[in-house]
Amino acid sequence: GAGVSQSPRYKVAKRGQDVALRCDPISGHVSLFWYQQALGQGPEFLTYFQNEAQLDKSGLPSDRFFAERPEGSVSTLKIQRTQQEDSAVYLCASSLELGSSYEQYFGPGTRLTVT
Amino acid sequence: QQPVQSPQAVILREGEDAVINCSSSKALYSVHWYRQKHGEAPVFLMILLKGGEQKGHDKISASFNEKKQQSSLYLTASQLSYSGTYFCGTPTTSGTYKYIFGTGTRLKVLA
Repeated sequence: GAGVSQSPRYKVAKRGQDVALRCDPISGHVSLFWYQQALGQGPEFLTYFQNEAQLDKSGLPSDRFFAERPEGSVSTLKIQRTQQEDSAVYLCASSLELGSSYEQYFGPGTRLTVT
Repeated sequence: QQPVQSPQAVILREGEDAVINCSSSKALYSVHWYRQKHGEAPVFLMILLKGGEQKGHDKISASFNEKKQQSSLYLTASQLSYSGTYFCGTPTTSGTYKYIFGTGTRLKVLA
């Protein structure tokens, strides 16, 4: 069956540009997570959605980062005025269950390079 | 506080065994294990929900010592396909949403 998909797979942005990263979770999955993974590091939590509600955004590194999931399915992570330190792989994961105690299914990620 | 994994890296020959440890300074409410191959997304291996629980499939198993705030992943008779980076992961507190991954263990299996 269809897994989690993300687009674009690769994005190059000039410093100061805005970017939008899309995540299509598995159909019916209520939970959606965004992570940032720097080279050679583990994924770091950014934010969590339960359906359309953003219940935890404690991991967003600055107010330049914004995420939404308006209809409880597709989610978009937006980064405004990108900086070089934003370069990373952005992973989206979805889960059938509520909360973070259950299996997460990850998408392939979007590799963002800010030049 | 991020769970600390040990060893940081390990190289095995096919057929050898390995143990990867995950230790937390805070209470672990559940422990998950993921494997990530280079350039790919993490893939779920197993979840341990209760202290004392042990699970396994194929030649990969895990244990969870809730009192010691530790979990271990056991890889027996390793195969080339086991190569990758292994992460333990856990919710930061019971019933919460924020999720945290361990420091990671890079494992390479040689023929």
